[in-house]
Amino acid sequence: DAKTTQPTSMDCAEGRAANLPCNHSTISGNEYVYWYRQIHSQGPQYIIHGLKNNETNEMASLIITEDRKSSTLILPHATLRDTAVYYCIVRVADDGGATNKLIFGTGTLLAVQP
Amino acid sequence: KAGVTQTPRYLIKTRGQQVTLSCSPISGHRSVSWYQQTPGQGLQFLFEYFSETQRNKGNFPGRFSGRQFSNSRSEMNVSTLELGDSALYLCASSWDRGPSPLHFGNGTRLTVT
Repeated sequence: DAKTTQPTSMDCAEGRAANLPCNHSTISGNEYVYWYRQIHSQGPQYIIHGLKNNETNEMASLIITEDRKSSTLILPHATLRDTAVYYCIVRVADDGGATNKLIFGTGTLLAVQP
Repeated sequence: KAGVTQTPRYLIKTRGQQVTLSCSPISGHRSVSWYQQTPGQGLQFLFEYFSETQRNKGNFPGRFSGRQFSNSRSEMNVSTLELGDSALYLCASSWDRGPSPLHFGNGTRLTVT
């Protein structure tokens, strides 16, 4: 079973910020939070990941709560091309290596409206 | 830098046949994982290879197998195809250490008739 829970779907107006929540209340100390998105008929696209600090890259920002039990992916200015299923995943990754057996939930379908 | 490349993009096979799918990882990546995606079960882990050795395996029957070559390229094989094997098969590659993310290809769409 997936270790994360996400809303099934969300809407966002084009040009506005999209805030996608994720709960991971049983996260372990050596588990990172990763976000991917999947546009129909394509492979999942990596967006961002973090351990406990907030992270930002050219695609998005990731806000992780202090207790690490939840996180929010922020797309600052959503466009129609951001319409996709967004997956939040926790993954063990430390100096000893990382597991590549990712467990995907059902994700959040983000629909960006014109 | 080229991404993960999967061939063929689409495939149609008949029940009982076998199929081989190919994956070329990102240059320098030595870990390759395979996933199956269906509308009913979502994305499910099949297996992972590193340095030509299977390192982890999901809960799939023995009809599903894979291998990795010395150049890190990987193939997966499905024998005695069933209608339920119709799916998008995804390959992902990554560095072996630390939190570097997996990068996925665009998959092979297999249809079994």
